[in-house]
Amino acid sequence: QVHMVESGGGVVQPGRSLRLSCAASGFSFSDYAMHWVRQAPGKGLEWVALIAFNGKSESYADSVKGRFTISRDNSKNTVYLQMDSLRHEDTAVYYCARVSNVDGDYGDFDYWGQGTLVTVSS
Amino acid sequence: SYELTQPPSVSVSPGQTATITCSGDKLENKYTCWYRQKPGQSPVLVMYQDSKRPSGIPERFSGSNSGNTATLTITETQPIDEADYYCQAWDTSTVFGGGTKLTVL
Repeated sequence: QVHMVESGGGVVQPGRSLRLSCAASGFSFSDYAMHWVRQAPGKGLEWVALIAFNGKSESYADSVKGRFTISRDNSKNTVYLQMDSLRHEDTAVYYCARVSNVDGDYGDFDYWGQGTLVTVSS
Repeated sequence: SYELTQPPSVSVSPGQTATITCSGDKLENKYTCWYRQKPGQSPVLVMYQDSKRPSGIPERFSGSNSGNTATLTITETQPIDEADYYCQAWDTSTVFGGGTKLTVL
């Protein structure tokens, strides 16, 4: 069955960097666009970034553009989120999510990881 | 940027019908979907392409999207339905609504 596991979260000081990973299994990873969605403590869901199935296109929320970079390694069934110049407001649980439709960058998310908590604090 | 508006909370008695709305400009021109999230858990897709139920989601859940409003309807609401519900709209970009806390009391 489909399974996605995020890792790499932790406590980091403002201005520092962190790289999140999402390891996927149970489906043909290279066929699907992948997204990162975050949720600040007690708040709602916020879309962060997407990467196309082949890694050739990316898109970012304005709140992270220029600071975060999404990438993927289809040979390792893994998607990454490089987070630089972190701010207090980036504190959140970060989820990776799979788009349900094979041939699109955007869509509904039929599978989510369990999330990894990033805390930006001095 | 495109925005989706949901009521912060909806309350319903067990066995009654819960209606959760999601409003956005010309929302009918976008695809919408809905997620249920219980405390400490990841979101779960409960409706996609406006009105389609994923496998495992009871028939009590239905959806619609017309004009500026998408609606998630839960009939015969049960205590297990108590959760936060989020709408999402997408076409060439994507956005989430602010979420609605459904209380069953």
